[in-house]
Amino acid sequence: KQEVTQIPAALSVPEGENLVLNCSFTDSAIYNLQWFRQDPGKGLTSLLLIQSSQREQTSGRLNASLDKSSGRSTLYIAASQPGDSATYLCAVSRGHNTDKLIFGTGTRLQVFP
Amino acid sequence: EPEVTQTPSHQVTQMGQEVILRCVPISNHLYFYWYRQILGQKVEFLVSFYNNEISEKSEIFDDQFSVERPDGSNFTLKIRSTKLEDSAMYFCASSAETSQAQYFGPGTRLLVL
Repeated sequence: KQEVTQIPAALSVPEGENLVLNCSFTDSAIYNLQWFRQDPGKGLTSLLLIQSSQREQTSGRLNASLDKSSGRSTLYIAASQPGDSATYLCAVSRGHNTDKLIFGTGTRLQVFP
Repeated sequence: EPEVTQTPSHQVTQMGQEVILRCVPISNHLYFYWYRQILGQKVEFLVSFYNNEISEKSEIFDDQFSVERPDGSNFTLKIRSTKLEDSAMYFCASSAETSQAQYFGPGTRLLVL
């Protein structure tokens, strides 16, 4: 059974720092991995999708990498800003007749001025 | 930018009552999903829907739950007889193709008293 874990559970940093959020999954047979942002009491905003054949994806200040064989993904946030404060979730999809997402527990990020 | 919308944003109901949660997926998307998030817990998959039928459902999605696409734009989740433990945030999502990025709506917060 696929388990997705995110470390750290919470992170508080001053504005301007570069950050790394970690996601690990127990079954390396994934089809893709998606990173989301969730603001308190709100929906999920898709940030990046990495297909299993890819090593990384970039969008603005965000860079996500995937090491499928070791069951890990990292989300790198450059030059963090207070507006980046949110919970970051990773989710994996197995493919092979299933596209349900299996979510991690999230990392709650606070960036203070 | 196209987005998934959900109504209502909040719903309070009495145990045993029926509720219908509504979603309008992104217009050219073909794959639809429902997930839920109990307060403080992970986002959990409920059901996926394609070509007017359920593709996959989780153990949570028992006989009390049903989904429907009544017309070309709406996608609904019905809970026939709500229980206290159904209290959660319910998210609708859609994707253009299977195993591509899923885009989530803002959620409906359901409270069962």
